[in-house]
Amino acid sequence: DARVTQTPRDKVTEMGQEVTMRCQPILGHNTVFWYRQTMMQGLELLAYFRNRAPLDDSGMPKDRFSAEMPDATLATLKIQPSEPRDSAVYFCASGLGAEAFFGQGTRLTVV
Amino acid sequence: GQQLNQSPQSMFIQEGEDVSMNCTSSSIFNTWLWYKQDPGEGPVLLIALYKAGELTSNGRLTAQFGITRKDSFLNISASIPSDVGIYFCAGLNYGQNFVFGPGTRLSVLP
Repeated sequence: DARVTQTPRDKVTEMGQEVTMRCQPILGHNTVFWYRQTMMQGLELLAYFRNRAPLDDSGMPKDRFSAEMPDATLATLKIQPSEPRDSAVYFCASGLGAEAFFGQGTRLTVV
Repeated sequence: GQQLNQSPQSMFIQEGEDVSMNCTSSSIFNTWLWYKQDPGEGPVLLIALYKAGELTSNGRLTAQFGITRKDSFLNISASIPSDVGIYFCAGLNYGQNFVFGPGTRLSVLP
C-alpha cells in the first residue's frame, strides 16, 4: 500500500529552535509538494519539486524556511529559527502527473 | 491569482440523506480533484476529473467536471456517519500548481 510518509507526526519546540520535517514520497512519483494548513489560511503551497529540482518556493518565507530533496526518497522542510506563527500542520504530497497524494502531516507547535 | 470558492462552507445533514456541494472559480481548469480530510489526517484523494462534462463515480460519491471548466460538483448519496469530514476541491492547469478551495465541512447526524 504505497503512501507518503512524514516524520515526525507531532513536534513541539521552543521559539528560536530549528525544526526539520521529513517526507518520503511514494516510490516513482516525480513531483513533491510542501503545504501548510491553518484554520485561517487553509492549505497554502510552500514549495514544490519536480525530478528533485525546486520549481516554485514563492510561498515560503525565505529568510527562515528552506526545502530540499537530497535524493528521490527524501524531502525536507527546515525552519530556522522557528516562531510561534509557524505553528500549523505541514503536509507533504507527491504525485506523477495530474494528481497529488498527501501524507498524514506534521503538527508543529512553537511555544 | 486563481482562487476557488466552495459552497456550502459547512452543512449538517441526517444520516441517509444525499449531499451536494460545489466548487467554483473565475478561471478555467484542466483538471478537478476532490479530496476528503478526516480530523488529524491528510487529505485523501476521492475523485479526479480530466475532461469538461465528465461524470465520475466512486462508490456513493459522484463528481462532475463543469462544462464551462470553471466549476465542479460532488454528490454523496445515502450519507453515513463516516462521511463526516472536510471536503476540498482542487483545480490544476498544465504546468501550474494545484489551487485548493477552502473546504466544505460536513457533519452527519445519526
